Amino acid sequence: GAVVSQHPSRVICKSGTSVKIECRSLDFQATTMFWYRQFPKQSLMLMATSNEGSKATYEQGVEKDKFLINHASLTLSTLTVTSAHPEDSSFYICSARAGLQETQYFGPGTRLLVL
Amino acid sequence: LAKTTQPISMDSYEGQEVNITCSHNNIATNDYITWYQQFPSQGPRFIIQGYKTKVTNEVASLFIPADRKSSTLSLPRVSLSDTAVYYCLVGYYNTDKLIFGTGTRLQVFP
Repeated sequence: GAVVSQHPSRVICKSGTSVKIECRSLDFQATTMFWYRQFPKQSLMLMATSNEGSKATYEQGVEKDKFLINHASLTLSTLTVTSAHPEDSSFYICSARAGLQETQYFGPGTRLLVL
Repeated sequence: LAKTTQPISMDSYEGQEVNITCSHNNIATNDYITWYQQFPSQGPRFIIQGYKTKVTNEVASLFIPADRKSSTLSLPRVSLSDTAVYYCLVGYYNTDKLIFGTGTRLQVFP
C-alpha cells in the first residue's frame, strides 16, 4: 500500500503554545487529506478534510481557528494546534487519498501532550 | 453515510478462524465496504475492500451477502499479532470521508 508519514511522532508542549504536525504522502500525490483525532480507548474522530490548494472543510464542533490546516502541495498537509491546552492532548492521525475512487491510507499518528 | 454496527469485542485463540460481522442496514447502492486494522498508538491499516459477494487477499476474506446489509471479515488462523481493533466502514467508493464507528477489539490468546 501507499505510504503516509507524520512528523513529529510525539510532541510535548506547554499550554498556550502552538504545535505544527506534518503529514506527507511519500509515494503518491494526495489530492485529499484528512485529519483525525483519537482519545484513549475511543474511535477516530474526523476533524477536517483538506483538498490541495483550497480551504479545509471542518466537521461540526471543530474550531477552524484553533486547528489550522494547510494543504499547500499534493504531498504535504499540516495541522497547527494553536494556543494548545491540556484538553487538546490526543493522538492525531492524518490520512491521504490519491484521488476519487482511491483507497485512503493513514499515517502513523502523532501523540500530542500539552502540559 | 451509512452507519455501521459491530461487536465491541471478541476473543479468540491462536490458530482459529475469526469472523467479525458488521451491520450496515442503510448502505447505499454506490457504497463500498472497507475494513481497517488498528494497533495501539498506530494509524489504521487498510485490510480489504469489497462491493458484493466475496473478496480475498493475502490477509483476509470479506463476505458480503446479496442484500449487502451486512458484511463479515474473516481472518484465517489468527496469531497473537492479530490482536487489534478492526473497523468496518462504508462509503461511496472512497469519495466519501470515512466516519469511524466503535470498531471491534479482537483479543487473541495463546
